[in-house]
Amino acid sequence: SQQGEEDPQALSIQEGENATMNCSYKTSINNLQWYRQNSGRGLVHLILIRSNEREKHSGRLRVTLDTSKKSSSLLITASRAADTASYFCATDRGSGNTPLVFGKGTRLSVIA
Amino acid sequence: DAGVIQSPRHEVTEMGQEVTLRCKPISGHDYLFWYRQTMMRGLELLIYFNNNVPIDDSGMPEDRFSAKMPNASFSTLKIQPSEPRDSAVYFCASSKGTVGTGELFFGEGSRLTVL
Repeated sequence: SQQGEEDPQALSIQEGENATMNCSYKTSINNLQWYRQNSGRGLVHLILIRSNEREKHSGRLRVTLDTSKKSSSLLITASRAADTASYFCATDRGSGNTPLVFGKGTRLSVIA
Repeated sequence: DAGVIQSPRHEVTEMGQEVTLRCKPISGHDYLFWYRQTMMRGLELLIYFNNNVPIDDSGMPEDRFSAKMPNASFSTLKIQPSEPRDSAVYFCASSKGTVGTGELFFGEGSRLTVL
């Protein structure tokens, strides 16, 4: 069953703009991860944020986590056409060692 | 590092036929996962192994699905008999360390079409 749910389902922006994707989840977690999937390819890990962290940066990526609202956001700054992909959040279930459960993803289109 | 290797990349078969998907995880990784991706249901976990032992197969949809991991470098997912609703992209992923907290490394997937 789905743990995370991304919002919006699809997002279209111009190159150079920022893209923000949100993820909501249902149960407590130990960590939340974001993955990227190019069309026809496998998922690639982008960033992991632990439940005791509130914000994390990696290059043009910024991830926030609000455990009180059970939500996370992924911000891509100064987007490029090459950022066009689907983005997924994934969480464990917080109770012991459980495998990652993925949302259905946000399809991002960056128009040059 | 070759990454997670899956085969075949594409498979088209007829209803009722047996399908076998293969996966070679990254050397040294002790967890292996099989996921299925469809537009309707997204990415679903089917089964995962730890040190070649199946830990949780509750995501396997029916008895028609079976998975094995005879050694640390090879796993198979078999569907017998296949049905049109099994059409999906099947991903294998591997990771190291504690399940759920480490990064997953995905293969490129096997796209299955059952006619």
